[in-house]
Amino acid sequence: EAGVAQSPRYKIIEKRQSVAFWCNPISGHATLYWYQQILGQGPKLLIQFQNNGVVDDSQLPKDRFSAERLKGVDSTLKIQPAKLEDSAVYLCASSPRLMFAVQYFGPGTRLTVT
Amino acid sequence: GNSVTQMEGPVTLSEEAFLTINCTYTATGYPSLFWYVQYPGEGLQLLLKATKADDKGSNKGFEATYRKETTSFHLEKGSVQVSDSAVYFCALSVTQGGSEKLVFGKGTKLTVNP
Repeated sequence: EAGVAQSPRYKIIEKRQSVAFWCNPISGHATLYWYQQILGQGPKLLIQFQNNGVVDDSQLPKDRFSAERLKGVDSTLKIQPAKLEDSAVYLCASSPRLMFAVQYFGPGTRLTVT
Repeated sequence: GNSVTQMEGPVTLSEEAFLTINCTYTATGYPSLFWYVQYPGEGLQLLLKATKADDKGSNKGFEATYRKETTSFHLEKGSVQVSDSAVYFCALSVTQGGSEKLVFGKGTKLTVNP
C-alpha cells in the first residue's frame, strides 16, 4: 500500500513570495491533515479535512495560509505572502475516518524563507 | 488545556543501554496516548499507543504504560540499538467537535552509539 505522498520535499523562497505544497493521501482515507513543525517543536495542526469539507481550521493563519481539497482526495496548502517565521516542515497526514483511527504521515516539505 | 511535556533532549546512549523517555500530559476527559518516531529523512510513524488507563502499548521492543494517576506515558526499551536513533514524539488525542486531533510534545532526539 502506497503511503502519503508530498511534494516538493524542499523549497527555498524569499519573504513575501508565494509557495504551494501538495499532498496525496493513502487511497480511501477520508480524513486529511496539514501540520506545521517548526524546528525543535512538535507538529502543530493547521487544518483538518473530512472528504472535501473543512472540519477544523482554527489554527490556520487565514490572512496568509489557505488550503483546499476540492475532490476529496489530494490537497494543496498555500502560503501567500510568506514570512520568515513560516520556515518549518509542513507535514501531511491521512486517516481512514475522523475518530479512533491512526494518522499516517508523509515525509514532509521543508520550507526555508529567506 | 491539552498539552504534552517530554523530557528535554538530546539523549545519547551506548548500544544495549536501557532507555527511558519521560512524557506527562494534561488533558480534559480521557485521551488516547501515542508515541511516534521520526527516523532521519522520513515522516512520523506510529510506534505504539494506549487507549485507556493501565493499558500497555508495545512494539519493536519499546513499551509504554498509560498511568492515569501520574498522567504519564513514559517510553522504555531494555536494550537500544544503533537503528533506534531517531526523534521520539509523545502525543495525545483529544475529541473536539466530533473529530479527533493529535497534540504533540516537542520531541526527544535519541542517538545510539555503537
